[in-house]
Amino acid sequence: DTGVSQDPRHKITKRGQNVTFRCDPISEHNRLYWYRQTLGQGPEFLTYFQNEAQLEKSRLLSDRFSAERPKGSFSTLEIQRTEQGDSAMYLCASSLRWGRSNTGELFFGEGSRLTVL
Amino acid sequence: DQQVKQNSPSLSVQEGRISILNCDYTNSMFDYFLWYKKYPAEGPTFLISISSIKDKNEDGRFTVFLNKSAKHLSLHIVPSQPGDSAVYFCAARGSGNTPLVFGKGTRLSVIA
Repeated sequence: DTGVSQDPRHKITKRGQNVTFRCDPISEHNRLYWYRQTLGQGPEFLTYFQNEAQLEKSRLLSDRFSAERPKGSFSTLEIQRTEQGDSAMYLCASSLRWGRSNTGELFFGEGSRLTVL
Repeated sequence: DQQVKQNSPSLSVQEGRISILNCDYTNSMFDYFLWYKKYPAEGPTFLISISSIKDKNEDGRFTVFLNKSAKHLSLHIVPSQPGDSAVYFCAARGSGNTPLVFGKGTRLSVIA
């Protein structure tokens, strides 16, 4: 395991359908983050976990979005009743807790691109 | 509101010359700053960082400068190489558990 992996890499769905993305972080990392990136924008924070606890959620994360990290390892991000505005790249990142890594560095996966028709 | 601003969407530099990418921030609580590089169809990868207690950090061809009073940082790449062509994101965080906040990115093109 050399990095963060995300699945699927690409997802095309029709408006109103539910989609789920999975993220497997670097194994020794206890923090896991979800970001969203749209065209011409930088990554925007959605939510993050420390182990299995979801510690913060952005106001970007509407009620149709839910994220879990049940055993403190992999995480899923589900979007219910997708809308065209949900089309974006969904990025997962992991890190050690601040203080153990003085760079505050996040390691990103390659992302899951969602297209809602 | 955009707390981290990269006002130049793109930059073109000749191979061998210096590339200077700029970033401004508005939140005085930010105490750590990072630069990420992103190639198409890949996730961002960490490049270099700087703590607010420093004004310069150097790693090979990459140097980051921080001017706290101006709330400004810059990334210098010298000499620039064609493989440096990518989108560069500036990011910042406060202390504690705060997540990274990213700018919109600057697309660097290094021309051979």
